[in-house]
Amino acid sequence: GEDVEQSLFLSVREGDSSVINCTYTDSSSTYLYWYKQEPGAGLQLLTYIFSNMDMKQDQRLTVLLNKKDKHLSLRIADTQTGDSAIYFCAESKRGSQGNLIFGKGTKLSVKP
Amino acid sequence: EAGVAQSPRYKIIEKRQSVAFWCNPISGHATLYWYQQILGQGPKLLIQFQNNGVVDDSQLPKDRFSAERLKGVDSTLKIQPAKLEDSAVYLCASSLDLAGRLAFFGQGTRLTVV
Repeated sequence: GEDVEQSLFLSVREGDSSVINCTYTDSSSTYLYWYKQEPGAGLQLLTYIFSNMDMKQDQRLTVLLNKKDKHLSLRIADTQTGDSAIYFCAESKRGSQGNLIFGKGTKLSVKP
Repeated sequence: EAGVAQSPRYKIIEKRQSVAFWCNPISGHATLYWYQQILGQGPKLLIQFQNNGVVDDSQLPKDRFSAERLKGVDSTLKIQPAKLEDSAVYLCASSLDLAGRLAFFGQGTRLTVV
């Protein structure tokens, strides 16, 4: 099966919070990442969390990590139309930290 | 600070032809990656360099794909001969070190094989 799984689509209204979920399978993953990809653009690193942390907050972004369930989430507060993009969850493996395993991405649509 | 530069942005070739992509990483970044992103999927690592040495090329189809980073800076990825299933976006990324905690991606080269 897939190492990293995400739901494919999420639609929210402008001003609401968005929560994008991700599950991974490798408990030895040392870092977990969220990347954003806009149409025709490369991947932009949004945030990352070390595996011994439960939560990380950075302005409008909150990352929650549940190691027991191997579940990672990204919450975007006060979602704006400019947040419309595909969001990728990725994990790096112990001993091969540069090798990122990506999910298929969640397409976030923000309606005005 | 300049980002990761890639060229060309787009390329259309016929199957069985050859193609090459170029990447210039962020200055000072020792680690360079090539990823393949097929439409509707997440990127998949093809090869990882540390300076001019290969760290991981386990997922590189070596019968047709090759990559080099001769002087430890720029890199080229070549496909010869191309197949229809090679149609994808090829992303180059770089990071300061092997830990790869902060990998920065280029805009990618979109390859279409017809």
